[in-house]
Amino acid sequence: DQQVKQNSPSLSVQEGRISILNCDYTNSMFDYFLWYKKYPAEGPTFLISISSIKDKNEDGRFTVFLNKSAKHLSLHIVPSQPGDSAVYFCAASGRADAGNMLTFGGGTRLMVKP
Amino acid sequence: KAGVTQTPRYLIKTRGQQVTLSCSPISGHRSVSWYQQTPGQGLQFLFEYFSETQRNKGNFPGRFSGRQFSNSRSEMNVSTLELGDSALYLCASSFQASSYEQYFGPGTRLTVT
Repeated sequence: DQQVKQNSPSLSVQEGRISILNCDYTNSMFDYFLWYKKYPAEGPTFLISISSIKDKNEDGRFTVFLNKSAKHLSLHIVPSQPGDSAVYFCAASGRADAGNMLTFGGGTRLMVKP
Repeated sequence: KAGVTQTPRYLIKTRGQQVTLSCSPISGHRSVSWYQQTPGQGLQFLFEYFSETQRNKGNFPGRFSGRQFSNSRSEMNVSTLELGDSALYLCASSFQASSYEQYFGPGTRLTVT
């Protein structure tokens, strides 16, 4: 039973345009959500996070939106750059005493074309 | 500051054997968590060690174990290897226990034949 799902395995976007990566979850106990970026042969790198008490968090070109009623979060990258090409994982945590016990989605491969 | 290092980077083992993977956290970090990444199951939490004590454990069989040393370095052991144990094993370190803010190493690619 996948509690965190990324239904699009890949996404292709033109440089300068917006990239929107989506993530759905089923466990209503999740209260903290994160996005990680992963380049080949490297471990995931933390990108941005959001607590369930917020519906939006922004950091430079990256914005994460959370819709608790729909159990849906999305990552917006504006403008997209070729260096953003990577696999993006969303992750969720539901225990304040175990913030690192993350449940990950399957990942979306983003390709930004010059 | 050096990042999280994992050794070896690649490993090939035979079914039934055991394997030990090593992780050196970022200097000053006392928490080390281990994850397994497979194409079918994605990234899954294995366990966390903090100050030489296991704090949290994911849903994996007892064949998967770990330990942490006084210098915060951690090892993960898998006994009686199965084909399904073929995966990328990632470790992540953080300053505090059970922290959302984790820094991942490059992983060890284990292939079981």
